[in-house]
Amino acid sequence: AQTVTQSQPEMSVQEAETVTLSCTYDTSESDYYLFWYKQPPSRQMILVIRQEAYKQQNATENRFSVNFQKAAKSFSLKISDSQLGDAAMYFCASQGTYKYIFGTGTRLKVLA
Amino acid sequence: GAVVSQHPSWVICKSGTSVKIECRSLDFQATTMFWYRQFPKQSLMLMATSNEGSKATYEQGVEKDKFLINHASLTLSTLTVTSAHPEDSSFYICSARDIFGDREAFFGQGTRLTVV
Repeated sequence: AQTVTQSQPEMSVQEAETVTLSCTYDTSESDYYLFWYKQPPSRQMILVIRQEAYKQQNATENRFSVNFQKAAKSFSLKISDSQLGDAAMYFCASQGTYKYIFGTGTRLKVLA
Repeated sequence: GAVVSQHPSWVICKSGTSVKIECRSLDFQATTMFWYRQFPKQSLMLMATSNEGSKATYEQGVEKDKFLINHASLTLSTLTVTSAHPEDSSFYICSARDIFGDREAFFGQGTRLTVV
């Protein structure tokens, strides 16, 4: 079975500062992908970053980076130089052979 | 980038009627499409996985006869909410995987269903 856990319902960060969102997962599959999605008030799901489980190197996309700890089944998202536009719900997701499973989400507030 | 179009964006229907929601992949072929339901301030809950040309796989607790899913072509999947009731009111989101792509799924903009 696949599970994804986000233990932080809400986080706040000062503009221009750095914040880390936590995610742990569990899967019985050996070949899987991990994702972070952003959902703004429009509710359109926007891919932030993804990590292939077979890759040891942590993924990076501009101000967004992940800390992927495969043995610990941890997949945290770091947002650097936070901007007002980063405020949204963030969902961690695990994708095995067939299913996409989402965590419960973390609401990120960015303070001016 | 890959585009998934979901239609309608919002719909209001009377209790007891049926509503059809369409999910189209506009610039790629999708063998697999996923349907989710999202309650306010909650996560996306996978309802079913539809594969082109075969029956959908429903998650535990999802009523197959109430939520009919059809995936008749590589670019279109439909979700029909039959005999809708107010408790079916929710936000429904589809996503699709590119047949030639990797594991990434692309999301539609969602449909807000209100049953009155």
